[in-house]
Amino acid sequence: DAGVTQSPTHLIKTRGQHVTLRCSPISGHKSVSWYQQVLGQGPQFIFQYYEKEERGRGNFPDRFSARQFPNYSSELNVNALLLGDSALYLCASSLGQGNRNQPQHFGDGTRLSIL
Amino acid sequence: AQTVTQSQPEMSVQEAETVTLSCTYDTSESDYYLFWYKQPPSRQMILVIRQEAYKQQNATENRFSVNFQKAAKSFSLKISDSQLGDAAMYFCAYRRGFQGAQKLVFGQGTRLTINP
Repeated sequence: DAGVTQSPTHLIKTRGQHVTLRCSPISGHKSVSWYQQVLGQGPQFIFQYYEKEERGRGNFPDRFSARQFPNYSSELNVNALLLGDSALYLCASSLGQGNRNQPQHFGDGTRLSIL
Repeated sequence: AQTVTQSQPEMSVQEAETVTLSCTYDTSESDYYLFWYKQPPSRQMILVIRQEAYKQQNATENRFSVNFQKAAKSFSLKISDSQLGDAAMYFCAYRRGFQGAQKLVFGQGTRLTINP
């Protein structure tokens, strides 16, 4: 079975641009979470989506938004890119909210570089 | 707010030896999970081991085991018989225990080097 897949693998943008990152969860997983990992630090929680609804939001500005589609895939959008948005963006999926004892499975991430 | 602290930015160990990575956390809740994740240069975050706060018995997964001290809010990872493939960044993480909780709070990470 395929794991969590993210696209693109690597992306280069300039300040002020907009970016869309994509994530496909493991088959059967209904919950998707997004994390930002700045170089040399641990991942920081951005969003969680379950059944197409936002279920959690981290301490990120409104320039960051996301959505989940009927097939449970998800997009993370970032507007007005800043140099500080350069990071590895990780997507994680899990079964959902009916099972408390469930791990999250991570994708390989999208490396976003802002010039 | 919950916080996770890993005080060892880097550790190294000889192949086949044992190494312990430290993690402390702060929370006012009694129902939670603790995790150790491994992140090799390939970038994918891989779950190594997890511990439910209500279980007193320390979790074990093959060569990996934890020392969970709930009162001290300490959660260390012991890797026995270290192998070259264990070289990676290791992250300690916390998650609340209620149904639907998905947010992981990560520590800063410990870079583990295995010397042949």
